[in-house]
Amino acid sequence: SQQGEEDPQALSIQEGENATMNCSYKTSINNLQWYRQNSGRGLVHLILIRSNEREKHSGRLRVTLDTSKKSSSLLITASRAADTASYFCATGAGNQFYFGTGTSLTVIP
Amino acid sequence: SQTIHQWPATLVQPVGSPLSLECTVEGTSNPNLYWYRQAAGRGLQLLFYSVGIGQISSEVPQNLSASRPQDRQFILSSKKLLLSDSGFYLCAGSTGWQETQYFGPGTRLLVL
Repeated sequence: SQQGEEDPQALSIQEGENATMNCSYKTSINNLQWYRQNSGRGLVHLILIRSNEREKHSGRLRVTLDTSKKSSSLLITASRAADTASYFCATGAGNQFYFGTGTSLTVIP
Repeated sequence: SQTIHQWPATLVQPVGSPLSLECTVEGTSNPNLYWYRQAAGRGLQLLFYSVGIGQISSEVPQNLSASRPQDRQFILSSKKLLLSDSGFYLCAGSTGWQETQYFGPGTRLLVL
């Protein structure tokens, strides 16, 4: 399966700290996306990084992609209590698209 | 961007009863549409996808079926629900396989 796997499964940090979560996948991809899900809600797209890109920024988010290691990381800087959510990576290639198992982030005020 | 509408938000159904969940899309034409199921605290499992009217592909064998009677309408159905059909069902749309997926708010189904 090409499904990504996030690490850690759960992460708890203090407000203001940075949060880093990682995603590993198994086969070649066209792009990798990160999504956020608040409890009991639908997923919201955060950022897309293409296979020929190594780093991308969006506000307090920084995503890196290492295709040689088949891994990506999502960094949230200066975390806020409102960042508490589950974060999923999703990998796409051809007509396949897979979501990982997610990292549950808790930001303590 | 697209807006995905799903209803109802919550549904409690007895075992053996039928199911019909509807998803509609605004803001784009000829989208790819997807039905996912998410177990509590778990990732998303792709159930069905559709690249056009009447075109349905199933990713996993199951008790459910899907239909796409109109370009912007995607329906998830069952003739007889099982306890194992309980879960959180999400509809999503995209302009292509490798593009951003836009999700609806989800339907929480509890089969008793």
